[in-house]
Amino acid sequence: QSVLTQPPSASGTPGQRVTISCSGSSSNIGSKTVNWYQQLPGTAPKLIIYRNNQRPSGVPDRFSGSKSGTSASLAISGLQSEDEADYYCAAWDNSLNGVVFGGGTTLTVL
Amino acid sequence: EVQLVESGGGVVQPGGSLRLSCAASGFTFDDYGMHWVRQAPGKGLEWVSLISGDGGSTYYADSVKGRFTISRDNSKDSLYLQMNSLRSEDTALYYCANDVPNWGLAYWGQGTLVTVSS
Repeated sequence: QSVLTQPPSASGTPGQRVTISCSGSSSNIGSKTVNWYQQLPGTAPKLIIYRNNQRPSGVPDRFSGSKSGTSASLAISGLQSEDEADYYCAAWDNSLNGVVFGGGTTLTVL
Repeated sequence: EVQLVESGGGVVQPGGSLRLSCAASGFTFDDYGMHWVRQAPGKGLEWVSLISGDGGSTYYADSVKGRFTISRDNSKDSLYLQMNSLRSEDTALYYCANDVPNWGLAYWGQGTLVTVSS
């Protein structure tokens, strides 16, 4: 059981908008920034959103993040087949004194 | 270009030890904290440990506390993870990643596989 809670799966058709939620608590998301990682099949994770809603250079603006209270979400608009991947949220946890990850969400492009 | 290359993985018996290494390049190594994160086969990401840029502060997940030790050699731009008393549940792909303030785990290596089996 992960400290951060994500839905195990999500899906959409090309061109659609999909959102992935991430629920935490006051000791992590409620007081710290949230980052999102994309893991394509057979590859290492890649940072796609940092500080709740910032995109590193090279990440398409189709990807956006938001945070409210103890929850965060990742939105992907204009869904493309290359977006099929596992997505993880993460944050520092003040109680555990470490990084906590969500269980991951597998995104399928139908 | 930031590069992180892990090594040292392999097959080890339960109760055994292994030392992982991570060679860094493309950034000023001692300016950044460094993490180890692992991923069991078919499972999600699990944070393992963090060390500060000067090596003075270390943090561990409860699942490895007292068995694993993170360290770094800034003269060699290298990160290490000494793993003792290994268990079958430690079987995973181990990644190193650098910590950029407010960015989290910014760059990741490709991982090194550790298999704990008799």
